[in-house]
Amino acid sequence: QSVLTQPPSVSGAPGQRVTISCTGSRSNIGAGSDVHWYQQLPGTAPKLLIYANTNRPSGVPDRFSGSKSGTSASLAITGLQAEDEADYYCQSYDKSLSGYVFGTGTKVTVL
Amino acid sequence: QLQLQESGPGLVKPSETLSLTCTVSGGSISSSSYYWGWIRQPPGKGLEWIGNIYYSGSTYYNPSLKSRVTISVDTSKNQFSLKLSSVTAADTAVFYCARQPGYSGYDIWEYFFDYWGQGPLVTVSS
Repeated sequence: QSVLTQPPSVSGAPGQRVTISCTGSRSNIGAGSDVHWYQQLPGTAPKLLIYANTNRPSGVPDRFSGSKSGTSASLAITGLQAEDEADYYCQSYDKSLSGYVFGTGTKVTVL
Repeated sequence: QLQLQESGPGLVKPSETLSLTCTVSGGSISSSSYYWGWIRQPPGKGLEWIGNIYYSGSTYYNPSLKSRVTISVDTSKNQFSLKLSSVTAADTAVFYCARQPGYSGYDIWEYFFDYWGQGPLVTVSS
């Protein structure tokens, strides 16, 4: 059972803005552990989208942005495109469990 | 361009040991800036961290799997390996190897996963 909770699904029309929440606790995000985000297209390995809460690796469009506050974090996708249809996972470190933890995952559907 | 490639049997019998190797190309596994990790994903489910290793051999394991997991490194071959013992059908999953770069103070919680292997499906079945 994951310690980071995400909504199972979000959807939006092309061009719209969607956000995905990642809710943790005082032993992970609330303890100061950073949040990282990954995109997983069907049948492929996850791809790093955001690291250390807000940073985009080279090559990731600036349509993707991350934020963190308290025991939660969010990923925003602006100008939604058909190619953004994928599963998205947040990841952090839990200091009570002494290990890396992933969110439950969110499926983004472009209407 | 860094590449990671998993190799090993795609079918393992219950109660036996699952063994996978990750070969790193385009970069050195001996770099002091990285850990090297294993993550698995059961079919249709989410991601689970298994463990990781530093080039020196220092390891960290998921507490829920620790009793059954061994991760080792061979710097001469630029490879690291996973062994998961006493497998059951519940261990059927896609297994990914990945590089973990550190940042800021390089404390163990300041690592994420940037490069991933393609991830073979390993099925546990008799």
